[in-house]
Amino acid sequence: EPEVTQTPSHQVTQMGQEVILRCVPISNHLYFYWYRQILGQKVEFLVSFYNNEISEKSEIFDDQFSVERPDGSNFTLKIRSTKLEDSAMYFCASRVSGNTIYFGEGSWLTVV
Amino acid sequence: GENVEQHPSTLSVQEGDSAVIKCTYSDSASNYFPWYKQELGKRPQLIIDIRSNVGEKKDQRIAVTLNKTAKHFSLHITETQPEDSAVYFCAASTGSNYQLIWGAGTKLIIKP
Repeated sequence: EPEVTQTPSHQVTQMGQEVILRCVPISNHLYFYWYRQILGQKVEFLVSFYNNEISEKSEIFDDQFSVERPDGSNFTLKIRSTKLEDSAMYFCASRVSGNTIYFGEGSWLTVV
Repeated sequence: GENVEQHPSTLSVQEGDSAVIKCTYSDSASNYFPWYKQELGKRPQLIIDIRSNVGEKKDQRIAVTLNKTAKHFSLHITETQPEDSAVYFCAASTGSNYQLIWGAGTKLIIKP
C-alpha cells in the first residue's frame, strides 16, 4: 500500500539553525499538508498546499516557516531560525481528492 | 474559526466493556469528521470517519454518531480489547482544503 514517507525521522538542532523536513506524498495525491504535535498535546494544522501554492495556513505558520515542492515529488517544510518551542513531531499528510488524509510517520524535531 | 472540544481526556474501561468518547465542534459548516488512533510515537491512524450527510456509521466494533443540530459526534468502541489502548483524536474538517482541526485527545486505557 502506498505511504507518505518522511525524512529525517529524528533531528536535533541548535536554536537559531535552519531545518528542512522532507516528505514524499503518495504519488497521485494532489493536496499536501504539514501538521505538528508538541509532545503530549493535540495535532495542530500548519499549512495546506495545492497546485504549487499555499492554499491555507494557520497562525502558527509565521514567517519563520516556508513550504516548497521543488521537484514534483518532494514536499518540504523549512524552519528558518528554530526556537526551543519548535520542538515537536511534524507530520506530513496528503490526499487525492476525497476527504481521507494519509499521514506520514512523522519527523521528530528537537531544538536545543 | 473552528474549535473542537473532546472529552474525556482519559478513559479507563474494563476489557470487554464499551468506551465512548465525545466531541463537539463550533463551525456549522464543518462537513467531515474523522477519528484517529495514535499509539505512542506513531502517526495518527484513521479508524473511522463520517460525513455530514450521515448520522451514524459502523465498522465492526467501532461506530461513530453525528448530531449536526447539536454539533457533536461520538466514537463508540464495543467489546474493548487490550490493543484498543491508545490515544484517540477526533477532528473536524472545514473549508475547501479539508484541513483538520483536532480535539485534544483521549487516552483510552483498557484494564485486563
